[in-house]
Amino acid sequence: AQKITQTQPGMFVQEKEAVTLDCTYDTSDPSYGLFWYKQPSSGEMIFLIYQGSYDQQNATEGRYSLNFQKARKSANLVISASQLGDSAMYFCAMREDSKLTFGKGITLSVRP
Amino acid sequence: DAGVIQSPRHEVTEMGQEVTLRCKPISGHDYLFWYRQTMMRGLELLIYFNNNVPIDDSGMPEDRFSAKMPNASFSTLKIQPSEPRDSAVYFCASSALARITDTQYFGPGTRLTVL
Repeated sequence: AQKITQTQPGMFVQEKEAVTLDCTYDTSDPSYGLFWYKQPSSGEMIFLIYQGSYDQQNATEGRYSLNFQKARKSANLVISASQLGDSAMYFCAMREDSKLTFGKGITLSVRP
Repeated sequence: DAGVIQSPRHEVTEMGQEVTLRCKPISGHDYLFWYRQTMMRGLELLIYFNNNVPIDDSGMPEDRFSAKMPNASFSTLKIQPSEPRDSAVYFCASSALARITDTQYFGPGTRLTVL
């Protein structure tokens, strides 16, 4: 069974609008961390935001926020005020121990 | 502070040749990870080190792959002999520790093409 599921094949958003990228995860461990990374066309993996399983509040980092719903095992990334530079592949990942498990990723295209 | 450094950025080689990829982790980070990214399989963890010691190499595809970390600031991933199916982007990442809160920071990757 997949530990991290990202089912949206591709997303489009108009510049300056908000967009939500979905991520569901599967674990029986009560202690875990959830991460989002951005991979632009240049190829590097850029860390965006982190949410811990015990965190009471949703994580925020500038225009990025994480809609963490623990009971539903979802950790959706919200990007507010989209910019053209946000066009990239976005990966959700979970850390239960030393390892990080990645989803397949979602492609986001921002339209001018 | 410099991030994770990888070299070369691009490598084109012929089947059967030996390939060596290099990585310098962020100074002070105790953990180093090697990943492979392909369209078909996504991002896969190959091996990781803690304080220069290999901890888990269960992701290494076969004996043609080997990795070493002779000191805290250098690691290599070697493929010998290389095959076309090894073509992928290989990432090195490091983290300070391995708690669930510790972020892994990635290098720019090495794009390997085996002809």
